[in-house]
Amino acid sequence: LAKTTQPISMDSYEGQEVNITCSHNNIATNDYITWYQQFPSQGPRFIIQGYKTKVTNEVASLFIPADRKSSTLSLPRVSLSDTAVYYCLVGSRGTYKYIFGTGTRLKVLA
Amino acid sequence: EPEVTQTPSHQVTQMGQEVILRCVPISNHLYFYWYRQILGQKVEFLVSFYNNEISEKSEIFDDQFSVERPDGSNFTLKIRSTKLEDSAMYFCASSDPSGTYSNQPQHFGDGTRLSIL
Repeated sequence: LAKTTQPISMDSYEGQEVNITCSHNNIATNDYITWYQQFPSQGPRFIIQGYKTKVTNEVASLFIPADRKSSTLSLPRVSLSDTAVYYCLVGSRGTYKYIFGTGTRLKVLA
Repeated sequence: EPEVTQTPSHQVTQMGQEVILRCVPISNHLYFYWYRQILGQKVEFLVSFYNNEISEKSEIFDDQFSVERPDGSNFTLKIRSTKLEDSAMYFCASSDPSGTYSNQPQHFGDGTRLSIL
């Protein structure tokens, strides 16, 4: 499983766009990139997944460059309720486990 | 939206006692998982389960742990003789092999907080 590296923490203000970048230099051809959000005392919540280029859903966008060695989660116009830990995970179809890193602790300020 | 449900939300047990944590995965999912998170630490993989057998397990998942799908809806984690260091949040997850996403993202429950006294 490819190892991922993310910033430990980030601060932002309400209404701003937040971009969290994840490095995964050893990503394999079959690997997908998946992002989760976790609030205190709750389970990780699936945000978005992608393989290449750009993926967008109702809550976030995921940008993946051509070499796929990194990815960027973009959260448009964050609010206080987006304060959470965000995890970048890499794995292939049939992955039976996720390896969680420390994630990025995002703090949104008023 | 369908969700993974876990019971109880908080379990307090004396050291050495057996404990069973229960999970109801999303109904059409076929892959099931247990993870744990010790307070302030990373989420750690324990075990994955498919077709009524363990697919993969971590070093944490020793002989004190077992999993079972006793019926068509529940998935349980049993710790036979609990230790103080088993105190953690335990998360159940499930995934769908034929879902919208090709890589079957796992969907997590909100966990059971296990406190060993």
